[in-house]
Amino acid sequence: EVQLVESGGGLVQPGRSLRLSCAASGFTFDDYAMHWVRQAPGKGLEWVSGISWNSGSIGYADSVKGRFTISRDNAKNSLYLQMNSLRAEDTALYYCAKEGVGAIDYWGQGTLVTVSS
Amino acid sequence: QSALTQPASVSGSPGQSITISCTGTSSDVGGYNYVSWYQQHPGKAPKLMIYDVSNRPSGVSNRFSGSKSGNTASLTISGLQAEDEADYYCSSYTSSSTLRWVFGGGTKLTVL
Repeated sequence: EVQLVESGGGLVQPGRSLRLSCAASGFTFDDYAMHWVRQAPGKGLEWVSGISWNSGSIGYADSVKGRFTISRDNAKNSLYLQMNSLRAEDTALYYCAKEGVGAIDYWGQGTLVTVSS
Repeated sequence: QSALTQPASVSGSPGQSITISCTGTSSDVGGYNYVSWYQQHPGKAPKLMIYDVSNRPSGVSNRFSGSKSGNTASLTISGLQAEDEADYYCSSYTSSSTLRWVFGGGTKLTVL
């Protein structure tokens, strides 16, 4: 059974940093691209960032480019998102998600990030 | 990058069929057969219902079907049931950047 467990969320002041982690199990982690997708309270889904199986390809949404950094450690079956210069509009539930064939096919339960003074 | 366009809400009675549209551009929906649909119940993570435009993952009811014409994809739910009431999101791969997916704004389905 595929399991994705996010951690690292919390309340942080504007301009500060936070690092999210995602522990993956139930599949061969280093065979798949992984993504972070966020959902602001009461809003829709927004793709944030993605990373290929070997970290050779990385992409970011324009809204986070230059502030967020995605990475992975295949030896630890883990995905990370380093978030710097956080803004109020970054407040959201952040989902770790696995990419399958032609779609993001599994999602974690999310970790809540609140940016507020 | 712009989100895909979905109606904010749709509704139907039990047993009826409904269709949710998802309009993009030739850089996403129209350019790839990587269109997927997700169901999200309140407080829950999204669940994949359709991938590659019209394929259902194992375990998803055959009451859910997908299609695409040009830059518009559609999700049809037949034989509506109370448990289908949820938010539905479309998604597509996009050529605008590396490893990028774009989502629709979401559609609230109400079963009357």
